[in-house]
Amino acid sequence: AQTVTQSQPEMSVQEAETVTLSCTYDTSENNYYLFWYKQPPSRQMILVIRQEAYKQQNATENRFSVNFQKAAKSFSLKISDSQLGDTAMYFCAFILHGSSNTGKLIFGQGTTLQVKP
Amino acid sequence: DSGVTQTPKHLITATGQRVTLRCSPRSGDLSVYWYQQSLDQGLQFLIQYYNGEERAKGNILERFSAQQFPDLHSELNLSSLELGDSALYFCASSVDHSSGNTIYFGEGSWLTVV
Repeated sequence: AQTVTQSQPEMSVQEAETVTLSCTYDTSENNYYLFWYKQPPSRQMILVIRQEAYKQQNATENRFSVNFQKAAKSFSLKISDSQLGDTAMYFCAFILHGSSNTGKLIFGQGTTLQVKP
Repeated sequence: DSGVTQTPKHLITATGQRVTLRCSPRSGDLSVYWYQQSLDQGLQFLIQYYNGEERAKGNILERFSAQQFPDLHSELNLSSLELGDSALYFCASSVDHSSGNTIYFGEGSWLTVV
């Protein structure tokens, strides 16, 4: 069975500083996709960044970047120049490649991030 | 705004009742997904439809059912409601059924069972 683990239930960071959220996953498969979603107090799930497992290059989206270590099954999210609007719960998610696994995003338990002024 | 529209946003109902949650996917998306977010279970995949057909099933209870209509909107029907069904129900959509496509979520429907 595939699992996603986020070992940090809560984190805080000062505005303008950098923070890294951890995520590990477990699978015996080789082809999959990884995502980070943000859930602000409004509760909407917003895609932050995605990574294809077959790509060695780490994905980046503006202030957000990942450190993808396939052998270690680790997928951490780095937020640079943190802003107050980054305050949210962040979910790491994983989906296997292949038609039989479509739609089955597997989520971690989430990390609540508070950005302090 | 993800482009996925869900109604109602909030719903309070009594145990034993039946409710219907409605979802309109993003324009052009053929796949619709339903997820449940609860305090004790976290985010769980319920079911996926692609172009009107059921594509994948997750941890969906037998009391729950869903369908996708020819205009691609979807409905999730929850019946014989129990207190434990109180949760945030998300609809999401993607272009097709490929697992590589990004899945966009709606704002969710808050269901409270009293």
